[in-house]
Amino acid sequence: GENVEQHPSTLSVQEGDSAVIKCTYSDSASNYFPWYKQELGKRPQLIIDIRSNVGEKKDQRIAVTLNKTAKHFSLHITETQPEDSAVYFCAAVRNEKLTFGTGTRLTIIP
Amino acid sequence: DADVTQTPRNRITKTGKRIMLECSQTKGHDRMYWYRQDPGLGLRLIYYSFDVKDINKGEISDGYSVSRQAQAKFSLSLESAIPNQTALYFCATSQAGGEAFFGQGTRLTVV
Repeated sequence: GENVEQHPSTLSVQEGDSAVIKCTYSDSASNYFPWYKQELGKRPQLIIDIRSNVGEKKDQRIAVTLNKTAKHFSLHITETQPEDSAVYFCAAVRNEKLTFGTGTRLTIIP
Repeated sequence: DADVTQTPRNRITKTGKRIMLECSQTKGHDRMYWYRQDPGLGLRLIYYSFDVKDINKGEISDGYSVSRQAQAKFSLSLESAIPNQTALYFCATSQAGGEAFFGQGTRLTVV
């Protein structure tokens, strides 16, 4: 089955700096890659996603890149703000089965 | 607002007891999923269903069973709860090829 590795497990950045979270996947048939943000005590919510026919997607301060050949994808957050502090999960989807990474706890230092 | 609702939100149960976690949705989605969240392990898939009468095992189905009673309802049962099933459980729904929406979660403690 699919295996998704996510790094780093924790990340602290100064407010205003950029944060990058990286994931690799094992199943080349996976074709959809969503990113979820989970704030403390809340449910995971989708923040951005990318499909396998696209290399990059941007939404304001958030961007995702996908390298199908290397089977890795990354989340980039620019101009970080305190409200970006949360746990972020990447996922790889094949046949509508989502396999999640183990999560990255992002802390923004004021 | 259309939503995904889990009951109960918190539950403490004893080892060996049978417990059922319920999930209902008003989004009209046909895909439903049960995940378990443990610190450092992310979200792991227990069972999923693409339609009524369709049940599929996920990566960690041992010790769990599910029932898809209707398109809007998907229940997770622990037949004989054990302490290492203490975790946060999430139900999720999606439409074909679309975003997954999560319920609020059920925090289960087995003592």
